[in-house]
Amino acid sequence: AQTVTQSQPEMSVQEAETVTLSCTYDTSESDYYLFWYKQPPSRQMILVIRQEAYKQQNATENRFSVNFQKAAKSFSLKISDSQLGDAAMYFCAYRGYSGGATNKLIFGTGTLLAVQP
Amino acid sequence: DGGITQSPKYLFRKEGQNVTLSCEQNLNHDAMYWYRQDPGQGLRLIYYSQIVNDFQKGDIAEGYSVSREKKESFPLTVTSAQKNPTAFYLCASSIDRDGQETQYFGPGTRLLVL
Repeated sequence: AQTVTQSQPEMSVQEAETVTLSCTYDTSESDYYLFWYKQPPSRQMILVIRQEAYKQQNATENRFSVNFQKAAKSFSLKISDSQLGDAAMYFCAYRGYSGGATNKLIFGTGTLLAVQP
Repeated sequence: DGGITQSPKYLFRKEGQNVTLSCEQNLNHDAMYWYRQDPGQGLRLIYYSQIVNDFQKGDIAEGYSVSREKKESFPLTVTSAQKNPTAFYLCASSIDRDGQETQYFGPGTRLLVL
């Protein structure tokens, strides 16, 4: 069974600085997708970024980028120029490439990010 | 506006009572999902449905039931058999185009037991 591990329960960053959140996963599949979701105090889950495992290039969305290391099964999220609005719980998630079967997301336990002014 | 709506925002359940959480989407998404979130844990899948009139159990389906009579709607019933229902419930929907599929979430329902 696939698992997702986030080893940092809490992180803190100064406004305008850069922070990296860690995620590792375990799978025997070769094709899959990885996601980072953000959950602010409103508790709405918001997609931050996604990565297809067959793509070697790391995904980037504005100030958010990932470091995807397939061999190491590592998928870290880098937030540059941190803003107060980035404060939230961040979840790493895995989905297998099922080709029509369950598209279940498997989530890590989350990292709570605080942004200091 | 397109999106996913969940109601109510807060729901209180008495012992032995069944309650139903609503999830509606107007995104024309095929698949819909229900997740449960407990403190200190990630989301866990309760039920999912990939097409109308079909649904499958997730990892923690015991004590829950669903229906999918319409594409837009996927209500979740928390039955009296669910002994620890206090949690935050999130509904999601997705559409799969050539293997590109991403789940989008509703705002959630907080269920509390009286």
